[in-house]
Order: sequence, then C-alpha cells, then structure tokens
Amino acid sequence: AQTVTQSQPEMSVQEAETVTLSCTYDTSENNYYLFWYKQPPSRQMILVIRQEAYKQQNATENRFSVNFQKAAKSFSLKISDSQLGDTAMYFCAFMKHGMDSNYQLIWGAGTKLIIKP
Amino acid sequence: DADVTQTPRNRITKTGKRIMLECSQTKGHDRMYWYRQDPGLGLRLIYYSFDVKDINKGEISDGYSVSRQAQAKFSLSLESAIPNQTALYFCATSRRDRPYYEQYFGPGTRLTVT
Repeated sequence: AQTVTQSQPEMSVQEAETVTLSCTYDTSENNYYLFWYKQPPSRQMILVIRQEAYKQQNATENRFSVNFQKAAKSFSLKISDSQLGDTAMYFCAFMKHGMDSNYQLIWGAGTKLIIKP
Repeated sequence: DADVTQTPRNRITKTGKRIMLECSQTKGHDRMYWYRQDPGLGLRLIYYSFDVKDINKGEISDGYSVSRQAQAKFSLSLESAIPNQTALYFCATSRRDRPYYEQYFGPGTRLTVT
C-alpha cells in the first residue's frame, strides 16, 4: 500500500520569503503521479502542481516548483516570493497509474502554511 | 462555468439519523469520487464510480452507501449516522481520458453528528 508523509504540521514565513514544504512517500510502483493541493480557509481544494514520475524534469508553475527525487521518494514544494494569499493547508498526494489503478488520491496529513505580513 | 457542487454545505444531525449528501457536476466527467477529510489525516476515499453502472468501495466504506443516479449525480448516504462520522466530505470528478489524473473538487460538506 502507498503512504504519503508530510513531516511539518505547521510552518510560517514572512511575506516575500521562500518556503519549502516536505513530502515523502512510500510505494513499490514505478508509474505514478504526485500532486500538491492547496486548501485555503474557504476549504476549496485547489491543485497547485503535478509531477509525473517518468519525467525527470521538475514541474514548475509560476512561483511554485517541486524538487522530485524519485530514488529517495521525496517530493518537496518550493514557494518563491510568498504572498499572503498563499496562507493555506498544503497537501501532498499520490496517484498510482496503470490498468489496475482506481485513480484514487492517497493524501498526506497536510502542512499548515502561514504567511506573515 | 462547468462546476462541481455539493449540497448541503453544512449539516448538523443527530446520532441514528439517515442523511444524504449530494454531488452534482456539469463538467461532463465520467468518474466521481467521495472523500472524507479528518484533521491530521488528510483525505480518505469512501467510494468511487467510473460510470453509472460501476460503483466501488474505497478504503473506508463501512457505514456509508452511494447512489449514482446519472452521469452528473453521485450521492453519499449515512444510513445511521454516528458521531465519528463528523468530518468534511468532498466530492471529486475526473475525466475518463487524459488528463484522467486531474481531479476537480466540490466545495465540501461539513457534517456534524451529535
């Protein structure tokens, strides 16, 4: 079974700083996807960034980038030039890919990120 | 805009009551999911459906049932609610074809069982 671990329950940084959120996962699969989702106080779940395991290049979306280390089973999220609107819970999630996949997301427990003015 | 909606948004009910949470989507997606979110645990899959006639249990289906009334509607029922079912419930949808890995979430239903 796959598991996802987020070791930082809560983090806080000053606005405009860079912050890195950690995620490790355990799987015996070779084909999978990894995701970071953001959940602001509105509780809406918003996809931030996605990484496909077969791609060596790290995904980037504007101020958000990941450091994907497949051998180490690590998938960290870096937020550059942090903004007040980045304050939210951040969840790391895993999805198995393949014919026998039900495409469910396996979630970490989340990291609460607070951006201070 | 094509969207995923959930009703009700908030609900308080008593132990032993039957309750239904509803999910509707206008995205035209085939696949629909019900997740439960508890503090400190992330989200966990309750049930999923790949089409109207294909419904499957997730990892925590005990105490829940579902109905896929149409491609666009997927309801979650608690036959006899108990306090440890107090949680935030999310419906999600995804396409059958690429990008099938991308799930779109409704706004969630906060359920409190007293």
